[in-house]
Amino acid sequence: AQRVTQPEKLLSVFKGAPVELKCNYSYSGSPELFWYVQYSRQRLQLLLRHISRESIKGFTADLNKGETSFHLKKPFAQEEDSAMYYCALNDNFNKFYFGSGTKLNVKP
Amino acid sequence: KAGVTQTPRYLIKTRGQQVTLSCSPISGHRSVSWYQQTPGQGLQFLFEYFSETQRNKGNFPGRFSGRQFSNSRSEMNVSTLELGDSALYLCASSLGLASGRGNEQFFGPGTRLTVL
Repeated sequence: AQRVTQPEKLLSVFKGAPVELKCNYSYSGSPELFWYVQYSRQRLQLLLRHISRESIKGFTADLNKGETSFHLKKPFAQEEDSAMYYCALNDNFNKFYFGSGTKLNVKP
Repeated sequence: KAGVTQTPRYLIKTRGQQVTLSCSPISGHRSVSWYQQTPGQGLQFLFEYFSETQRNKGNFPGRFSGRQFSNSRSEMNVSTLELGDSALYLCASSLGLASGRGNEQFFGPGTRLTVL
């Protein structure tokens, strides 16, 4: 069963515009949600996790259990935000499920 | 602290052959997970090893196997290679705490496998 869905393969926005990368999940328990980012020619790395409730590089994500969503948001996109973003779910047994990824392209 | 390393970085094999990939985790990390990354499927979980035992397994055929050594280094083996096995294989290490919560995964650079 598909655990994590990222409906957009590509998202293009202009610099300074708000950006929202969508992530929906299906899991009956209490999962842990993450956003990972992969910049060009770099390794996949953690951007943020829902339990930390922190803002990293201006990005935030709120876990909405009612809508089973964990959308990533930033009010003002920067060119350096251009990257591949993956939403991931960790079930209660340390097994990770990744979405198919969204490529964010921030145009100057 | 040295990051996760994977060897080799690139491999070219032909159908029917087998291949072994290696992953060295961050020092102190006891959990190693393997993923297959393809343009169409994204990252798909293969398996996770913790303290030399396979703790989790994804939905891949038995041709995909792995093991972990006492120093936490892990190997992944794919036998009877098929064209569809061409992919980037990533490994990730973490502390692998018992509760499984708050486990940040640190990824290696990947091994690019091409099957001809």
